[in-house]
Amino acid sequence: NAGVTQTPKFQVLKTGQSMTLQCAQDMNHEYMSWYRQDPGMGLRLIHYSVGAGITDQGEVPNGYNVSRSTTEDFPLRLLSAAPSQTSVYFCASTARTGVRDTQYFGPGTRLTVL
Amino acid sequence: GQSLEQPSEVTAVEGAIVQINCTYQTSGFYGLSWYQQHDGGAPTFLSYNALDGLEETGRFSSFLSRSDSYGYLLLQELQMKDSASYFCAVRDLKWAGNTGKLIFGQGTTLQVKP
Repeated sequence: NAGVTQTPKFQVLKTGQSMTLQCAQDMNHEYMSWYRQDPGMGLRLIHYSVGAGITDQGEVPNGYNVSRSTTEDFPLRLLSAAPSQTSVYFCASTARTGVRDTQYFGPGTRLTVL
Repeated sequence: GQSLEQPSEVTAVEGAIVQINCTYQTSGFYGLSWYQQHDGGAPTFLSYNALDGLEETGRFSSFLSRSDSYGYLLLQELQMKDSASYFCAVRDLKWAGNTGKLIFGQGTTLQVKP
């Protein structure tokens, strides 16, 4: 099992550019999510999905779109990049056993917006 | 609303015992989880408590008191490699069923000194 994979690992964008951060998991988990983490800060939830075709907003959704056409993939799209979106982005896939959640995080994408 | 409170920083010496506290306020409660994140890395799952009491996993233990909306992570026989950030997390109940998003605390940075 590869677990949770993210691409790219590093990205530099200019203000106004758009791009898609890729995330895939091979554990057949229904629940996936995207977080951003700024220096010295915790994890802030951007969007999440409870299954293919179902997504919902987290704490900081503005400027980002998501889609979930398959169980495996959960891409995050930046519509028009801004310097405030410079951050480390983590995708996570969650194993839910009853009421217990165990999140598996990808290695992260380090994004710089100039 | 939903929130979790953790101390921002804790410092301890190698070989000592340290306790990282977490208080939470959520609309529903399905257990408290702990994650570890080394600098530059992705968060990794450490432990989960659904019921009151202590859960032990090697040098790490986690405690939960649901009546006090409080938990802690206990690290014993501290090693230099334990220097990392530690996050508590709860599932926010949006609606009944196996849904809802995970909410993370801001994280506690543990520095272990020789």
